Amino acid sequence: AQKITQTQPGMFVQEKEAVTLDCTYDTSDPSYGLFWYKQPSSGEMIFLIYQGSYDQQNATEGRYSLNFQKARKSANLVISASQLGDSAMYFCAMRPITSYGKLTFGQGTILTVHP
Amino acid sequence: DTEVTQTPKHLVMGMTNKKSLKCEQHMGHRAMYWYKQKAKKPPELMFVYSYEKLSINESVPSRFSPECPNSSLLNLHLHALQPEDSALYLCASSQVTQSNYGYTFGSGTRLTVV
Repeated sequence: AQKITQTQPGMFVQEKEAVTLDCTYDTSDPSYGLFWYKQPSSGEMIFLIYQGSYDQQNATEGRYSLNFQKARKSANLVISASQLGDSAMYFCAMRPITSYGKLTFGQGTILTVHP
Repeated sequence: DTEVTQTPKHLVMGMTNKKSLKCEQHMGHRAMYWYKQKAKKPPELMFVYSYEKLSINESVPSRFSPECPNSSLLNLHLHALQPEDSALYLCASSQVTQSNYGYTFGSGTRLTVV
């Protein structure tokens, strides 16, 4: 069984500042992938970044980076230089690296960027 | 533009109506999914199709009936729905075996049952 925990229901950040969204997970699978998705009010789930459980380096994609600490089972998302368009719901998710592995989501964090 | 296309974007239906949601992808993905999402909640998995066969049904009521006519299309047939079924319905697709790239989602259908 997998469990994803996002403890921040809402976060506020000033435009151009960095923000960290927390995610911890629990799984018995030896190999897994961790994902972050952004969901604006329009509803589409937008893939942001991926981290494999055996990856040695932390993943980065433009302004997004994933702070992966395997021993602590955490996969925090860092957004640098926040923009107004970053205001959205953010979901952390996990999937075992096997066929038919289901994607499990955390409860989400609503990020609001202030001008 | 999203690579998973869902139609319609919005749907209002009565409790006695029959309607269908449609999802289409042309990425060669052989796994397709239906999720239900209530406001400010995470998506909840409903069905998984793998190689056009239903592989997972998460104990979804029979008033929801999925169909996968071919590798690019996924339908969700709706009948005799309840007001509590009002939600955003998301379709997604993925490679069956390459789990490291997660799912590609559509923009969803906002369903209101009156």
